[in-house]
Amino acid sequence: RKEVEQDPGPFNVPEGATVAFNCTYSNSASQSFFWYRQDCRKEPKLLMSVYSSGNEDGRFTAQLNRASQYISLLIRDSKLSDSATYLCVVHRRGNTGKLIFGQGTTLQVKP
Amino acid sequence: EPEVTQTPSHQVTQMGQEVILRCVPISNHLYFYWYRQILGQKVEFLVSFYNNEISEKSEIFDDQFSVERPDGSNFTLKIRSTKLEDSAMYFCASHPVGLGETQYFGPGTRLLVL
Repeated sequence: RKEVEQDPGPFNVPEGATVAFNCTYSNSASQSFFWYRQDCRKEPKLLMSVYSSGNEDGRFTAQLNRASQYISLLIRDSKLSDSATYLCVVHRRGNTGKLIFGQGTTLQVKP
Repeated sequence: EPEVTQTPSHQVTQMGQEVILRCVPISNHLYFYWYRQILGQKVEFLVSFYNNEISEKSEIFDDQFSVERPDGSNFTLKIRSTKLEDSAMYFCASHPVGLGETQYFGPGTRLLVL
């Protein structure tokens, strides 16, 4: 079983739509959680950290359910510029700091 | 805003040749990493480096790979004898203090082994 699993998509949505991505992780020792964004052939860039209480940054909302080992990202009012691959990333307790990446979910926002 | 830089942006090499990929992490960062991403696949951890020594390495990071921080700024990844399957994007990352903190990634080096 993969340590971090995501639906690869692609998700094709019209501008203005709300879209949600899910991610599950298998190791209960996972401690820190992130969503990164990756544009084609570019480096991953931090979108937001994910906190147990859930957190919001503008149009983006992230939630964490430790009991179900599940992370989500909600994007409201999608923009064309949101088209990218969204990477679910975990850091496991006891690690040296290495990040464990999911395969990524591709979002294509269409006019 | 400070950023991680990497050189070269692209490298083409023949199988069996040595390559050195270079990174300049953000100046006050203490933890350094190399990751790779084969085309169409996920980002994979290679190695972490702290206090001038390797702190963790993955199964991918065999004895053909080595890392070095030769001075106060550069952080290099060397592949001694490249294989076709080493073709990938190689990302350097760094963060200041505190494991689990946000890592900042460089733009990557695209390595193609022929």
